[in-house]
Amino acid sequence: KQEVTQIPAALSVPEGENLVLNCSFTDSAIYNLQWFRQDPGKGLTSLLLIQSSQREQTSGRLNASLDKSSGRSTLYIAASQPGDSATYLCAVTNQAGTALIFGKGTTLSVSS
Amino acid sequence: ETGVTQTPRHLVMGMTNKKSLKCEQHLGHNAMYWYKQSAKKPLELMFVYNFKEQTENNSVPSRFSPECPNSSHLFLHLHTLQPEDSALYLCASTIGGNTEAFFGQGTRLTVV
Repeated sequence: KQEVTQIPAALSVPEGENLVLNCSFTDSAIYNLQWFRQDPGKGLTSLLLIQSSQREQTSGRLNASLDKSSGRSTLYIAASQPGDSATYLCAVTNQAGTALIFGKGTTLSVSS
Repeated sequence: ETGVTQTPRHLVMGMTNKKSLKCEQHLGHNAMYWYKQSAKKPLELMFVYNFKEQTENNSVPSRFSPECPNSSHLFLHLHTLQPEDSALYLCASTIGGNTEAFFGQGTRLTVV
């Protein structure tokens, strides 16, 4: 059974810092990996999608990497801002390729 | 706004009530999903529909009954719920199971 773990569970940084969020998964047979952002009480916003054949994806200040063989992904946020404060969720497709399996998320707080 | 709309945004219901959650997407996607998000837990997949056909039921109690009349609409009918069913219920859609998922803003359900 696929399990997704995110470390750390919470992170507080001052504005301007570069930071890394970690995601690991137990079964390397994935189709893709997706990073989401969730603001309190709201739905999920897709940030980056990495196909299993890709190593990384970039969008603005965000860069996500994927090492499928070791079951790991990282989300790098450059020059963090208070507006980046949210919970970041990592998810991989299940073995049937029918739906996403989520980690518990990392709650990020960026202070000004 | 992600193109996936959920109503209502908030719902309070008694354990003997019957209510329905609605999800609508105008993205041309053919797969729709219900997820449950409880405090301190990862998002849990509940149901998957592909081209209006249910393809996955993740051992969800029968007090939750999904309905997918067409590829754009998805309902979750609720009856005789328990207080532990209180959670954020999220709807998502994709073009196919392996593609980028778009989520609605969720329905915050409280069972009293």
